Amino acid sequence: NAGVMQNPRHLVRRRGQEARLRCSPMKGHSHVYWYRQLPEEGLKFMVYLQKENIIDESGMPKERFSAEFPKEGPSILRIQQVVRGDSAAYFCASSPPVSNEQFFGPGTRLTVL
Amino acid sequence: SQQGEEDPQALSIQEGENATMNCSYKTSINNLQWYRQNSGRGLVHLILIRSNEREKHSGRLRVTLDTSKKSSSLLITASRAADTASYFCATRGGDGGATNKLIFGTGTLLAVQP
Repeated sequence: NAGVMQNPRHLVRRRGQEARLRCSPMKGHSHVYWYRQLPEEGLKFMVYLQKENIIDESGMPKERFSAEFPKEGPSILRIQQVVRGDSAAYFCASSPPVSNEQFFGPGTRLTVL
Repeated sequence: SQQGEEDPQALSIQEGENATMNCSYKTSINNLQWYRQNSGRGLVHLILIRSNEREKHSGRLRVTLDTSKKSSSLLITASRAADTASYFCATRGGDGGATNKLIFGTGTLLAVQP
């Protein structure tokens, strides 16, 4: 059973470009979470999704950021018109429907030039 | 301010010694979890303790939870160089809400010298 997969592992974008981060949850997991980690800091919750539904987006910036988890395919975190402050590691986690434990992916490190 | 705050921020010990890290939080919780993160890598789940539990063991790990003080501690016994990593506590809210989001602390950077 493969773990949570994220791609790309490293992403470099210039200011103003779009960044698309993908997350494939573990098999059987229908809940996906996105977290952001700035250098030397802990993880900050961004959004919690179930298939085709956003359950909690209280940690998402109001502009430029969006997330989806379609019926088929991976969850996508999209950042439009990136700025240098978006440079961070973005982690995805997944869990089965009834579980306290979240399983984390290896993260995508976004660098905005 | 942070929901979870660990102390110390950094800890350096010799191999074989015990390492203790503490975590404080502010709101009511359903459970508290500890994670390890090696430099530049993802998080590895270590142990979960529920709000009605006071102590839990897993191998060389011992976790305590004091809900009256809103604090938890992680003890790693007989440390090894491979234990060198950042350690984070994370809480899941006990407000009965639908969200399962975890609120992470600021982390303790543990360095175990061989």
